Order: sequence, then structure tokens, then C-alpha cells
Amino acid sequence: DTEVTQTPKHLVMGMTNKKSLKCEQHMGHRAMYWYKQKAKKPPELMFVYSYEKLSINESVPSRFSPECPNSSLLNLHLHALQPEDSALYLCASSQVRESNQPQHFGDGTRLSIL
Amino acid sequence: AQKITQTQPGMFVQEKEAVTLDCTYDTSDPSYGLFWYKQPSSGEMIFLIYQGSYDQQNATEGRYSLNFQKARKSANLVISASQLGDSAMYFCAMRVSGNTPLVFGKGTRLSVIA
Repeated sequence: DTEVTQTPKHLVMGMTNKKSLKCEQHMGHRAMYWYKQKAKKPPELMFVYSYEKLSINESVPSRFSPECPNSSLLNLHLHALQPEDSALYLCASSQVRESNQPQHFGDGTRLSIL
Repeated sequence: AQKITQTQPGMFVQEKEAVTLDCTYDTSDPSYGLFWYKQPSSGEMIFLIYQGSYDQQNATEGRYSLNFQKARKSANLVISASQLGDSAMYFCAMRVSGNTPLVFGKGTRLSVIA
């Protein structure tokens, strides 16, 4: 079992739907991350939150909207997605400034856009 | 900028044999951390082992060891006594000091043969 919990595990949605991905951790980490991963590729960084504030946005389209309501929760709101957005979405958390601390990943949400 | 290079797209190893997965890195920052992650087909990213740039000894975690050659900028993962459950994608990653996210290599797919 991972210490970072992502829900749902699978999501199928149409291009006009609105849905949200959720991520929760209770390790006291103050940095949280969203990654997108296509098949046979490494994870691509989307967003970084540091102390509940957005610190990095890797030029992600506005149809992806992150939210960090508190230090334990991270959401990714989805709206009007495209078929190419189908991927595995991974959430991770870590200590903020310690380069020797690993990022801990959730199991991911497999998203399919019809 | 930081860069991780994994030159082996795929590797095969016989069960119970040892295997080395290659990773080279590039950074101008003197303080950095190197990480290896395992990703089975189910999708979760599992942290395996960490090596810090100032560590004098190579890291070991059970059957995993890291062959760290700082002058060559390499951080190869050695898996001893391979098991069928080791079949997965393996990613090498780096994080430099400060509030920076992980930089991933392209990954190596390891297949363990009975």
C-alpha cells in the first residue's frame, strides 16, 4: 500500500464532462506534485505546490486546473479534455527543500477521454 | 539544467542472475540526489534507492545497490538475484538542492526470464 492515495483509480469521461482527480497524503509533506504519464514514457511534470501555493506550472493547458485546499490534499479539476489527454496521472509528495528525500507517488489515475 | 540519460530501452535477465541498469547524469549543481524508481505494469511508482552527491559509500537496499561513480557522472542500479517480480520499468531520476522537482530519464524496461 502506498502512503499517497489517489482516487479514482480509473476514469472514463467525455470531452464535455467535468471531473476531478483527488490525492491525499498524511506524511507531513509540504510539496505536492501532479504528473502526466503516457505509455512507455517517463512522467511529465505538470504542477508543483509548495506550502499549499502553486510554485510551478509547466505550461499546462487551462483545461487542467489544480487546487491545494490544505497541506494533505491535492486536486486536479478536469474540463473539456481532448483525446490526447488520455494518460496515467500520478500524484506525488515530498519534503520541500531536502534534495535527499524521495518523492512518494500514488498508484495513479488512468484517465480515458472518449 | 539537469539531465538524466538511460541508454538501455530494454534489458533481459535470467532469473536468479544479477543485472545492471545504466544511468548517467549531468548537472552543474554540487549538491544533488539520485533516485531509482520501479514502475510495474500496474502503474505505481515505487521508490527503490537513493544516493547523495556527498555520500562516500555506495547505497544498498536489500537486493538493490547503486554503483555511484561521481567522476563519470554515473549511477547504475544493480539488482542481485533477479526475481520474476522484478519485471518492470525502471526510472533513474535526479533532484538538485532547493525546491526543485525530479528530473527523470526515459526508463529501462527489465524483463526477467524463468
